[in-house]
Amino acid sequence: DAGVTQSPTHLIKTRGQHVTLRCSPISGHKSVSWYQQVLGQGPQFIFQYYEKEERGRGNFPDRFSARQFPNYSSELNVNALLLGDSALYLCASSLLAGNQPQHFGDGTRLSIL
Amino acid sequence: QKEVEQDPGPLSVPEGAIVSLNCTYSNSAFQYFMWYRQYSRKGPELLMYTYSSGNKEDGRFTAQVDKSSKYISLFIRDSQPSDSATYLCAMTSGSSGNTPLVFGKGTRLSVIA
Repeated sequence: DAGVTQSPTHLIKTRGQHVTLRCSPISGHKSVSWYQQVLGQGPQFIFQYYEKEERGRGNFPDRFSARQFPNYSSELNVNALLLGDSALYLCASSLLAGNQPQHFGDGTRLSIL
Repeated sequence: QKEVEQDPGPLSVPEGAIVSLNCTYSNSAFQYFMWYRQYSRKGPELLMYTYSSGNKEDGRFTAQVDKSSKYISLFIRDSQPSDSATYLCAMTSGSSGNTPLVFGKGTRLSVIA
């Protein structure tokens, strides 16, 4: 079975631009979460979606937004990119929300010039 | 004080050694504890998933949770060069709804042949 898939794998943008990252969860998983991982740090929670509804938001500015589609795939959007947004963006899926183990994709590496 | 503390290492051991990795945490609401392994340029891979206090063994890996001390450990027996990676501890309260994982910084492990 396919794991969590993310696209694109790498992206280079300039300050002020907008970016959309995509995630397809493991088949049958209904919850998707997004994390940001800066070099040398653990992942930081951005959003969790379950059944197309936002279930949680981390301490990130409103420039960050996300949505989940009827097929449970998800998009993360970041507006007005800053140099500090350079990071690995990880998507994780789980069967349900709640105390379910989360499985991660390999992420999208975003570089801001 | 960060919610989850993890010594970033690096930790270097000879092949065959027993490796001990540890995290401490401050939030007594955490009930679900995970260890992830992350290879360079890859997403975190779930190794162990445990609930509350106690031990769990899976092959060469043993996870221990001591909620009274707010301390979790991962032991790797007969370590192999292929175990060289960054090990991330993660935890969550697991309540229904918003259940973000809170990660440590990760410990970088090198197993030398």
